[in-house]
Amino acid sequence: DTAVSQTPKYLVTQMGNDKSIKCEQNLGHDTMYWYKQDSKKFLKIMFSYNNKELIINETVPNRFSPKSPDKAHLNLHINSLELGDSAVYFCASSPGVGYGYTFGSGTRLTVV
Amino acid sequence: DAKTTQPTSMDCAEGRAANLPCNHSTISGNEYVYWYRQIHSQGPQYIIHGLKNNETNEMASLIITEDRKSSTLILPHATLRDTAVYYCIVRPSWENNDMRFGAGTRLTVKP
Repeated sequence: DTAVSQTPKYLVTQMGNDKSIKCEQNLGHDTMYWYKQDSKKFLKIMFSYNNKELIINETVPNRFSPKSPDKAHLNLHINSLELGDSAVYFCASSPGVGYGYTFGSGTRLTVV
Repeated sequence: DAKTTQPTSMDCAEGRAANLPCNHSTISGNEYVYWYRQIHSQGPQYIIHGLKNNETNEMASLIITEDRKSSTLILPHATLRDTAVYYCIVRPSWENNDMRFGAGTRLTVKP
């Protein structure tokens, strides 16, 4: 009954590979987000989707492509992985303005 | 581009109140103050938010000064499990604005 679930929890892969991280929320929220937390622990917004439509796309390399098949799912596909992509990626959801976000437990991506 | 200033770290004795300050001197009238925390290796957790009035829930109290230029998050009886990084965020109330996290305050609750 996890509210925001991410899979996988850990992902170790080689440079140049393509990988996907999945996120699902069962809260009925309209908006979903992807955040990246680097080794210095700064949390940075990457993408925001509202009802399957892209709202925010920060300065993220176009190797990162979010996909929202429905408003309960927001997946993150990463092409041609680089060492600098190693980080913890968090998915979050929100019912809208004036509410807090519910975060997933994160996916630790390690590129070797 | 964080709009808030928080101390880098704080200590608190177990069982005592933890008072975490946040300065947001450039806050505008339609911006909320949000607090989150991140316990080691976990996702951030929403704690509380407010606009003008003080707020209280089962986790904490939020005290916002009358001029709204600063606020304090109060954990009334800190436990060891409250050790975490606490983030104060200001966010506009209109659509399509996301939460932007700064460096936060690392709170250590000591026995």
